[in-house]
Amino acid sequence: DVKVTQSSRYLVKRTGEKVFLECVQDMDHENMFWYRQDPGLGLRLIYFSYDVKMKEKGDIPEGYSVSREKKERFSLILESASTNQTSMYLCASSVPANEKLFFGSGTQLSVL
Amino acid sequence: RKEVEQDPGPFNVPEGATVAFNCTYSNSASQSFFWYRQDCRKEPKLLMSVYSSGNEDGRFTAQLNRASQYISLLIRDSKLSDSATYLCVVNPSGAAGNKLTFGGGTRVLVKP
Repeated sequence: DVKVTQSSRYLVKRTGEKVFLECVQDMDHENMFWYRQDPGLGLRLIYFSYDVKMKEKGDIPEGYSVSREKKERFSLILESASTNQTSMYLCASSVPANEKLFFGSGTQLSVL
Repeated sequence: RKEVEQDPGPFNVPEGATVAFNCTYSNSASQSFFWYRQDCRKEPKLLMSVYSSGNEDGRFTAQLNRASQYISLLIRDSKLSDSATYLCVVNPSGAAGNKLTFGGGTRVLVKP
C-alpha cells in the first residue's frame, strides 16, 4: 500500500514563526501536492510538484513556499505564520496521468 | 460562483435507506470526475471515478450529466459505516494531469 506520511498530526505555532511541514511518500510517485482544508471551502491547492526541484503554484500560494530536493519528500514552508493560516494541511502524491491521489493523514496547524 | 459546488448537508439517512446527492461544476470542458470519501478527522480516499456512461460499485452508483454539468452519487441500503463526508472532485482543465478541484463536501449521517 502507498504510504504518505506527514511529520506532525498537530502543531501549534506563534504568529511570525517560520513553520516547516514535512511530507514523505514511499511509492516513488512523481507528483506531490499540498492542500489546505477549511470548513465550507473544501480542499484548496497550495503548491504542487511534478519532479524533483520542480514546483508550481496552485490556487492559493500566497504566504507559502515549498521545497522538493528529493523525490520522496515535499516540504511546505510558512515563512512567517499568520493566524489566517490556521488550517488542516494535507499532502498527497500520485503518478503521472493517474488522477488518483493518495493523502497523508494531515497536519492540524494552529497559529496563535 | 465556485468551480465545484456541493450541498454541505448533513443528509440524515435511516439505516437501509437510499440517499442521493449531486455536485455541480462550472467548467464545461472538465473531463474527469471522482468521488472521494472522508471520514471524520481522516484523510480523503478515492471512492470511485465517474464515467460518462455511469458506473456502479456495489451499493454505490455514480452518474454524470454533462448537459446540466453535474455528477451524482447514490448509496443504496445505507450502512452505519457509510457515515462520512463525500467530496466531489473535478479536473477542470480538460487535460490529463492532477490539478484537481475539490468541492466542499456533502456530509452523510446514517442512523440506526
